[in-house]
Amino acid sequence: EVQLVESGGGLVQPGGSLRLSCEASRFTFNSYWMNWVRQAPGKGLEWVANIKQDGSEKYYVDSVMGRFTISRDNAKNSLDLQMNSLRAEDTAVYYCARALRGYNGQCDYWGQGTLVTVSS
Amino acid sequence: DIQLTQSPSFLSASVGDRVTITCRASQDISSYLAWYQQKPGKTPKLLIYVASTLQSGVPSRFSGSGSGTDFTLTISSLQPEDFATYYCQQFHSYPQTFGPGTKVDIK
Repeated sequence: EVQLVESGGGLVQPGGSLRLSCEASRFTFNSYWMNWVRQAPGKGLEWVANIKQDGSEKYYVDSVMGRFTISRDNAKNSLDLQMNSLRAEDTAVYYCARALRGYNGQCDYWGQGTLVTVSS
Repeated sequence: DIQLTQSPSFLSASVGDRVTITCRASQDISSYLAWYQQKPGKTPKLLIYVASTLQSGVPSRFSGSGSGTDFTLTISSLQPEDFATYYCQQFHSYPQTFGPGTKVDIK
C-alpha cells in the first residue's frame, strides 16, 4: 500500500519559516506528479503547489507564490515544502498527495497531514 | 483563476435517497474534474476522476457526469457511510482549485 508521511509542522510566529517534508514509499516516486494541499481548521481544501516527476515544473497558488518553494528528491523518495514569511492565514493542515499516474492533479493517495499554526 | 461553485452547500438526506451534487466551473474545463469525499478527521478520498471515471474500489452507486462547465456527482442510493463532505477539483488550469464543498447530512 502506498504510504505518504508528512512531518515538520508546528507552531511558528508570523514572518517565520517552516519546512515540511513528505516521505513516500511503496510506489515508484519518480513516476508521479506530487502535490501539497492544505485545509484551514473547519474550512475546505485548497491546492497549494505541485511538482513534476523530474522537478522541472513547479506551480503554486497565487497566495503562496514567492514565499513557498516545493522541491523533491527522487533518490530519497521525498517531497518538501519550504515555507517562508508565514502569515496567520497559512494556518492549516498540510497534506502531501500523489496525483494519478499520467496526470498533474486528481490525487489518489494522501498523507495524514501535518498541522502548521502561525501565531504569536 | 477558475472558480468552482457547488450546489447545494448542504443537503439533508435519508438512507436510500438518490443524491445529486452539482459543480459549476467559471470557464470551460473540458473533463478535467475530480470528485472527493472527506469524512470528519479523515483525509480526502478520490471518488471520480476525469469527470466520470470511477476510482478503483469506489462503490458503483457513485457516478460522475458532465463536461465543459457543468458537472454532477450522483449517489444512486445513499448509504450510512456516505454522510460526508464532497469536493470537486479542477486541474485544467493553474492554479488548481477546489469547490467549497457540499456537506451531506443525515435527515
